[in-house]
Amino acid sequence: DTAVSQTPKYLVTQMGNDKSIKCEQNLGHDTMYWYKQDSKKFLKIMFSYNNKELIINETVPNRFSPKSPDKAHLNLHINSLELGDSAVYFCASSQGFRLAVEQFFGPGTRLTVL
Amino acid sequence: DQQVKQNSPSLSVQEGRISILNCDYTNSMFDYFLWYKKYPAEGPTFLISISSIKDKNEDGRFTVFLNKSAKHLSLHIVPSQPGDSAVYFCAASAGSGGSNYKLTFGKGTLLTVNP
Repeated sequence: DTAVSQTPKYLVTQMGNDKSIKCEQNLGHDTMYWYKQDSKKFLKIMFSYNNKELIINETVPNRFSPKSPDKAHLNLHINSLELGDSAVYFCASSQGFRLAVEQFFGPGTRLTVL
Repeated sequence: DQQVKQNSPSLSVQEGRISILNCDYTNSMFDYFLWYKKYPAEGPTFLISISSIKDKNEDGRFTVFLNKSAKHLSLHIVPSQPGDSAVYFCAASAGSGGSNYKLTFGKGTLLTVNP
C-alpha cells in the first residue's frame, strides 16, 4: 500500500504548455513538500505546506503554483513550461516540520519539456 | 552555493567490506544531519540521522560520524551487502533562527557493492 504516491510518473510536454502533478499521502501526515531534482542531481526544496498552510516558499518562478486541497494532497501546477523545468519532481510528507522529523518521499515524476 | 557537498559521485566496494561515504558542509548553522538512500525509480528513504550534540549514531550495520570542527560527516556501512547498492544523499537542517527546518541535500554518492 503506497504511502506517498505521485501521478503521473512520466510527463512529456511541449514548451509553453500548462501541466499539473498530483501528490497524495495516506500516512496521516500534516506536512507535505515539493522537491526538484535537476540535471545536476541536487534535490532542492520548492514548497512546503503544514495543515494546508504554505510554510516554505523557496525562490521558485511564480509559474509554479502549489495547491493543497486537504492535508493528504499537495498538487503542483506549472504554467508556461520552459526547457529548464525538465527535472524529476518529488513529493514528500512528514508529521510536523520540527528539526528531527523524517520525511517520506514519493517515487518522483520525471518531467521532460521539449 | 553548495552548502552540502558529497565530493565522491561514486564508490565501489566488495561485499562484506566496509563502505564509507563522506559529506562536508559549509553552513555552521546546520545542527541536524540525515542520510537518505535512493534506489532507481524510487524516492529517497530515510536511513539514519545525527544531532550536532552527538558525534556518533549507530543503527545496525549503519553508523554516522559527525566532526563538527571539520564540518564533516561520514556514513559507515559494515558489512556491505549487494542490496546496499543505491545512491546515498547527505542532508542537513538548521533548527534555529526561524529557518523552518528545511533540508539541504548534497548531490549524492552512488554506492555499488559487488558480490
